[in-house]
Amino acid sequence: SQTIHQWPATLVQPVGSPLSLECTVEGTSNPNLYWYRQAAGRGLQLLFYSVGIGQISSEVPQNLSASRPQDRQFILSSKKLLLSDSGFYLCAWRKTGVNNEQFFGPGTRLTVL
Amino acid sequence: AQSVTQLGSHVSVSEGALVLLRCNYSSSVPPYLFWYVQYPNQGLQLLLKYTTGATLVKGINGFEAEFKKSETSFHLTKPSAHMSDAAEYFCAVSETSGSARQLTFGSGTQLTVLP
Repeated sequence: SQTIHQWPATLVQPVGSPLSLECTVEGTSNPNLYWYRQAAGRGLQLLFYSVGIGQISSEVPQNLSASRPQDRQFILSSKKLLLSDSGFYLCAWRKTGVNNEQFFGPGTRLTVL
Repeated sequence: AQSVTQLGSHVSVSEGALVLLRCNYSSSVPPYLFWYVQYPNQGLQLLLKYTTGATLVKGINGFEAEFKKSETSFHLTKPSAHMSDAAEYFCAVSETSGSARQLTFGSGTQLTVLP
């Protein structure tokens, strides 16, 4: 069966510090991968998606970036965090060629102070 | 472009009462439709989905939803609310074309179940 992992689960970082959040998927190959953010009291915002290794599409201009160094690994990064980067970050994956169902990871709670 | 509207950001029901969460969508092509549930500080879990075929879809935890093309709706219902149903619910739509087939989410409805 397929599983998706995110770490860390929670993170508290000062403004201006770097960020690296990791997402890995097990039990499937060549998935589409997605990064979402939930700010307090708001819905889901799609940040990045990837259809393959090294292929990243950005949905919203911001100080975040994403990379996909391996087929089942998706990383969200920032060189300098802003207060507005605080939120709940969710990674998701989807099988290619089927009915668009996305499977979500447990999320990372990021607080920028 | 596709969009999803969830009427009511907060819905309160009494335990044992009917749950009705509303979702309307717009899409230029036949859509796939989904309902997800999110418990505090957790990821999203799929409740049910409509792709093709029967328009009344049954999901987990006693929830069901009906796809009504003429009304562009996909409302979520449960006959009798349970305390454990308290969570945030998201409706999502995806067009049946396009390479990455992204989901467009509604803004969510927070369900409170009163004892």
